[in-house]
Amino acid sequence: EAGVTQFPSHSVIEKGQTVTLRCDPISGHDNLYWYRRVMGKEIKFLLHFVKESKQDESGMPNNRFLAERTGGTYSTLKVQPAELEDSGVYFCASSQGGQGFNYGYTFGSGTRLTVV
Amino acid sequence: AQSVTQLDSHVSVSEGTPVLLRCNYSSSYSPSLFWYVQHPNKGLQLLLKYTSAATLVKGINGFEAEFKKSETSFHLTKPSAHMSDAAEYFCVVSEWSGNTPLVFGKGTRLSVIA
Repeated sequence: EAGVTQFPSHSVIEKGQTVTLRCDPISGHDNLYWYRRVMGKEIKFLLHFVKESKQDESGMPNNRFLAERTGGTYSTLKVQPAELEDSGVYFCASSQGGQGFNYGYTFGSGTRLTVV
Repeated sequence: AQSVTQLDSHVSVSEGTPVLLRCNYSSSYSPSLFWYVQHPNKGLQLLLKYTSAATLVKGINGFEAEFKKSETSFHLTKPSAHMSDAAEYFCVVSEWSGNTPLVFGKGTRLSVIA
């Protein structure tokens, strides 16, 4: 079974530019999550999709971040325009059904975003 | 509200000696608790999970953790450290009752000395 795939693995962009991160969950996993770790801080929740619907986006920091999951398959997270404080590692995770708390979540390797 | 405190940001052990990574949690509801590990340039890998069954949970690679409700702790242990255990470890809490977001601790970096 293929795992959760994220790309790019690294991205370096200038302040003010736009970056789009992509996550391909495990096939058949309806639940898809985005998390972020900024330097020196905890990994924090951004949002949760169930299929193509946003179940919870309470962790999205501001309206410069836009997440989509068209067709309920892969998801993209766009940052526009990027700011210095957006630098960090962005993780994607997926889980089957509604029981991530029971089965555990499968995480991708993350995208390391550096805004200069 | 839930929270997790990992009591040590860095732990260093000699190869072959026991490992103890400490974690305390706070949760208003019956929690699910997890330990994840991240090796350099790798994703977060699930080591073990507690979801209200047995309080002593065994995970992969010889790790185990014990849920102690009275102490609100979920410490991770391993009897004998191996060089390959060097990584960052995260204690994570989630509410058992639903698909709520995971709440991560700040992580503990484990170094293993030959």
